[in-house]
Amino acid sequence: AQKVTQAQTEISVVEKEDVTLDCVYETRDTTYYLFWYKQPPSGELVFLIRRNSFDEQNEISGRYSWNFQKSTSSFNFTITASQVVDSAVYFCALTGANSKLTFGKGITLSVRP
Amino acid sequence: DAGITQSPRHKVTETGTPVTLRCHQTENHRYMYWYRQDPGHGLRLIHYSYGVKDTDKGEVSDGYSVSRSKTEDFLLTLESATSSQTSVYFCAISEFGGGTEGYTFGSGTRLTVV
Repeated sequence: AQKVTQAQTEISVVEKEDVTLDCVYETRDTTYYLFWYKQPPSGELVFLIRRNSFDEQNEISGRYSWNFQKSTSSFNFTITASQVVDSAVYFCALTGANSKLTFGKGITLSVRP
Repeated sequence: DAGITQSPRHKVTETGTPVTLRCHQTENHRYMYWYRQDPGHGLRLIHYSYGVKDTDKGEVSDGYSVSRSKTEDFLLTLESATSSQTSVYFCAISEFGGGTEGYTFGSGTRLTVV
């Protein structure tokens, strides 16, 4: 069975602060894929990143960066210089050989002006 | 242009009535999924399909059935709706099972059972 744990449920920061969203996963598959999605107040799911289990390179996209560490089964997401528009629910998710996407419970991020 | 649409977008129904939600895709993707989203639970898989007439259960399948008679449509049926099935339902599609190409999600259906 596969599992995704997002231990943080709610985070509140002031604009321009950096914030890290944690994600820990469990799987027995050797080939798997990790995802982050953003769900703004409008409700749609916005894809942010996909990373496969063989690629442990960290990735940076603008103010967003992701740290993938297989040794600790973690795939953490950092927002640098947060903005009010970053306020949303963020989901980490995992898929493997069974082709089912398993989500964490989500982290609600509030960025205050 | 998203290639996946859900209908209806909103529905209010009474306890005990049957309800069918539709997911329609124009991408000819093999895999289709139904999720429900509830506060504190994230998104949980209800059922999924890996081809026409090929379906399997997810982690929260009790009270739900699905059908896929053609590639483009995946129907989710609540045979007798209960208040615990009040939720937001998302459909997703993927071409090869999601890993290499990811998933595309619909806009969601908000279902209220009164």
